[in-house]
Amino acid sequence: EVQLVQSGGGLVQPGGSLKLSCVASGFTFSDYWMTWVRRAPGKGLEWVANIKRDGSEKNYVDSVKGRFTISRDSAKTSLYLQMNSLRAEDTAVYYCTRGTGWCDHWGQGTLVTVSS
Amino acid sequence: DIQMTQSPSSLSASVGDRVTITCRASQGISNSLAWYQQRPGKVPKLLIFDASTLHSGVPSRFSGSASRTDFTLTISSLQPEDVGSYYCQQYKTVPRTFGQGTRVEVK
Repeated sequence: EVQLVQSGGGLVQPGGSLKLSCVASGFTFSDYWMTWVRRAPGKGLEWVANIKRDGSEKNYVDSVKGRFTISRDSAKTSLYLQMNSLRAEDTAVYYCTRGTGWCDHWGQGTLVTVSS
Repeated sequence: DIQMTQSPSSLSASVGDRVTITCRASQGISNSLAWYQQRPGKVPKLLIFDASTLHSGVPSRFSGSASRTDFTLTISSLQPEDVGSYYCQQYKTVPRTFGQGTRVEVK
């Protein structure tokens, strides 16, 4: 069974940093691109970033470029999102997902709240 | 970036009704389109990919179609468990982009 188990959310002040983690199991992690998607309160889904199977290619939505870094560790079958210089508009539930086109499996989501 | 314009933003229909949601891409995306369902308080679920291919385990009352830059999600017979928000997403280019969503309610 494919599982994506997330951790690392919480409350952070504007300008602060947070790192999200996602541990994958039930499939060959190194065979798949991985993606982060978020949903802000009262808003729709927003694609954030994706990373190639071997980590050699990364893509970001413009609003997070230069502030967020997506990474992965095949030995730990884990996906990460390092978020720096956080803003109020980054407040959202963040989802770890499998795939680069369509996302066929999703983590349970983790809430990130940016507020003073 | 490719803009995805979804309509309607919300709808209310009766159990058994046929429901249609549309999504228009700002430029050609071939059939690189997926549909997702997010029930209240739940994680999004993939319904359809490649515009018309039903994901494993998704009920056959869901279907997708495409015509150039216009895409349609149809629920042939609305059920109470179909309440939630529906999103289209293009994956022709990066950044991937979602439609703004359609909220579906049952009368």
